[in-house]
Amino acid sequence: DIQMTQSPSTLSASVGDRVIITCRASQSISSWLAWYQQKPGKAPKLLIYKASSLESGVPSRFSGSGSGTEFTLTISSLQPDDFATYYCQQYNSYPLTFGGGTKVEIK
Amino acid sequence: EVQLLESGGGLVQPGGSLRLSCAASGFTFSNYAMSWVRQAPGKGLEWVSGIGGSGGSTNYADSVKGRFIISRDNSKNTLYLQMNSLRAEDTAVYYCARVKGGGDCTDYWGQGALVTVPS
Repeated sequence: DIQMTQSPSTLSASVGDRVIITCRASQSISSWLAWYQQKPGKAPKLLIYKASSLESGVPSRFSGSGSGTEFTLTISSLQPDDFATYYCQQYNSYPLTFGGGTKVEIK
Repeated sequence: EVQLLESGGGLVQPGGSLRLSCAASGFTFSNYAMSWVRQAPGKGLEWVSGIGGSGGSTNYADSVKGRFIISRDNSKNTLYLQMNSLRAEDTAVYYCARVKGGGDCTDYWGQGALVTVPS
C-alpha cells in the first residue's frame, strides 16, 4: 500500500498568512493526488485534484503543486473560513490512501 | 444539485451485520463510480471501498476485505455497503461519495452515517 505522510500535523497561523502543507507519498503516484478540506462535523470538500487542478467553486487562494512523491497545498492568504483540517489522498492505485491530516488553527 | 443521502447506520453488536444505503440524486448515477469512506471518532479519513458505474468493478481496503460488500442498484440510484462480522474498530462515520470523472478522487460527499460497534 502507498503511505501518505502529511506535515505538519498542526499549524497555527493568522488571517492573511501564507500557509503551506506538505504531503509525501511512499512511492511515485505521478500527479494522482487530491486535497480535501474538512470542518468539524462536516463531510470533506474537494479542493484540488490531479495535484494542481482547482475544483470548481474553490477560491483561487488555494493552489497545489508537485508530482511523483512530493506535493504541497498552498493557501496564499489565509481567511477566517479556512481554519479546518486538510487531507491529501493518493488515487494512483488501490487501496486509495489518505494522509493523516493537517489541522490549521488560529494563532 | 447533486445530493447523496446515507441511511442505515446505528448500534450493532460485535460480530453483527448492518447495511448502509446511499440515495443519489441530481446526476446520472450509472455514469459515475462511487466510494465509501469512513472516519473513526476523532481520527482521519479512511477509504473503505469503491465500485464502478456498472457495478462490475469493485475494490476494498484490506481492513474490510472479506467482511464488507459494496454494491449498487442503478435502477434505484442507490449505493450500498453490506457490513458483516463487525468489530469495534469499524466504529465510524461512513460517507458515501461520488467519484470524479477522470480519476478516483471524490467530488461530492453525503452527510455521513454513524455506525457504532461497542467493544
